[in-house]
This record gives sequence, C-alpha cells and structure tokens, in this order.
Amino acid sequence: EAGVAQSPRYKIIEKRQSVAFWCNPISGHATLYWYQQILGQGPKLLIQFQNNGVVDDSQLPKDRFSAERLKGVDSTLKIQPAKLEDSAVYLCASSSPTGDSYEQYFGPGTRLTVT
Amino acid sequence: QQQVKQSPQSLIVQKGGISIINCAYENTAFDYFPWYQQFPGKGPALLIAIRPDVSEKKEGRFTISFNKSAKQFSLHIMDSQPGDSATYFCAASIGGGSNYKLTFGKGTLLTVNP
Repeated sequence: EAGVAQSPRYKIIEKRQSVAFWCNPISGHATLYWYQQILGQGPKLLIQFQNNGVVDDSQLPKDRFSAERLKGVDSTLKIQPAKLEDSAVYLCASSSPTGDSYEQYFGPGTRLTVT
Repeated sequence: QQQVKQSPQSLIVQKGGISIINCAYENTAFDYFPWYQQFPGKGPALLIAIRPDVSEKKEGRFTISFNKSAKQFSLHIMDSQPGDSATYFCAASIGGGSNYKLTFGKGTLLTVNP
C-alpha cells in the first residue's frame, strides 16, 4: 500500500512570509496528525483530525498556524506569518486503529527553513 | 505536562554489541509504549511496542523491557549492526481510538561502528 505523501519536501522562506504544506494520508485512514520536529527533538503533536473534524489542537499556535482536512482525506497546514523559530520538519502521520494496533504511519516530512 | 524522558542523547556501539536506550515517564495513565526508528530524511517508523500488562516483548533482535513500578522502559538491540544506525524515539500514549496521541522522548542517535 502507498505510504503517507507530503509536499513539498523542502521549503525556504523569509520571516513574515506564508507557507503551506500538503499531506495525503494512507487510503482509508480516518485519523491524521500533524507534528513539528525541531532539530534534535522528538516530534510534537500540533493537531489531530478524526475524519474532517479536529480532535485536538491544544498545541497549535493558532495565531499563526492553521490546518484543515476537507472531505476527510487530504490535509493542509499553513503558517502565516512565519517566524524564525518555526524552522523545523513538519511531519504528517495517519492511523486507522484496528484491534490492538495503534501504529501511526509517518510521511517523509517537509523541512522548513525560515531566514 | 505529560513527559517522556529519554537517555542517552547519543550512543556509539561496536558491531555485534548491545545497544540500550532508556526512557522514563511520569503519567501512570499511559498505557501504550512504542519505539520508533528514524533514518535521516525519513519519517519515524514503528519498531516495537508494549503495553504495561507485560514486562518484556521481543521481536527479532529488538526487546522492550518494561518496569511499571519504576515507570521506566528500555529498548535493547542485540547484535547491533551498522544498518541499525538511526535515531530512536520512545513514546507513550493514553487510550485508543480517536483519543490516541503520542508523546515522544527527545531521541537517541545510535551509531554502530563496523
């Protein structure tokens, strides 16, 4: 089966500019996650969707970050305006808990550099 | 604040040796403890996971040891190989279904020398 797809893979922008990331989860996976991974740290959950509804966005900086998952499939994460501290890898993951499995499948990530 | 503390930050092991990475958690409500492996330029991938009702789980060369009373768990990689060189993350979560959310440790960069 195809994995989680993300684009672009790399993005360089100047501070105060806007940027958007796209994620296509594994087919049939109802749950979609966006994580921020700063260099040298573990992934930090930004937002979790169940189908097209938000389950948890408690760690999403809502003054500058937004995300949507229209039709419960693809998702976009937007940053506007970007700050230097937003430089990180943005990971998308999806899951479809069945039985005792709670595995999250991660995409390759988008590496964002804010200058 | 839910936390998972991981050590060491980096680890160098000779080929054929045993790699040991440790994690400690605070929230006793955690009920699922996975380990993820991440290669450069790739997303994390599930390696092995354990629930608190067992003290050990083994899959091939990878073993999780779990100590519920100490709130600690560890990953042991037997007969470490250069191909195991990667960053390893422990994680923990509460619940399942739509409430399933992972809290990750900061990661351990493992280097296995040939």
